Amino acid sequence: GAGVSQSPRYKVAKRGQDVALRCDPISGHVSLFWYQQALGQGPEFLTYFQNEAQLDKSGLPSDRFFAERPEGSVSTLKIQRTQQEDSAVYLCASSSRTGRGANYGYTFGSGTRLTVV
Amino acid sequence: GNSVTQMEGPVTLSEEAFLTINCTYTATGYPSLFWYVQYPGEGLQLLLKATKADDKGSNKGFEATYRKETTSFHLEKGSVQVSDSAVYFCALSPIGTASKLTFGTGTRLQVTL
Repeated sequence: GAGVSQSPRYKVAKRGQDVALRCDPISGHVSLFWYQQALGQGPEFLTYFQNEAQLDKSGLPSDRFFAERPEGSVSTLKIQRTQQEDSAVYLCASSSRTGRGANYGYTFGSGTRLTVV
Repeated sequence: GNSVTQMEGPVTLSEEAFLTINCTYTATGYPSLFWYVQYPGEGLQLLLKATKADDKGSNKGFEATYRKETTSFHLEKGSVQVSDSAVYFCALSPIGTASKLTFGTGTRLQVTL
């Protein structure tokens, strides 16, 4: 597609519920990133894929967070047993470049706003 | 660790006023520096970047100069327009890290007629 598409746009989950957030990157982009943006804060890095390989998951806040990109295209961020502190906007970004150059060519999606009640 | 500090907003200016949004950083070595902009209802967009000391990034009338001696990357524009109203994020890419961006908390700019 023309841009990075994320779905759903909004998600309300009851505490303890599992959620799955989807990211469709720009076709052909090998690098894919997930960020978490709490209200009034800047985005914080969660994880990075190069094709289907998850090269960095150091930002995932707990083992309740899991991300995958099995075919090197669409990615899913899964949060198990959601808690109120998980409420945030989850941003996906993709890049045609790899390694350090990936930072120079990010295209961000509009994000999924997750509210845990 | 690495961090980015931005001036708090909101910043409210009249159209055609001069804009400065301050950004300072803490990082090891020589990170790459970025300004991103988020217009209402849209995703983050790269506004400009600088990859080494004394580099000046520029785009759409905005400029920022990488100042190693003051660890700063202040965003400036000589004459703002109503259409510049958005949230601006300063960010850095630490040296030796292939992929991560570290963002500041963002500064909301509101430009009025």
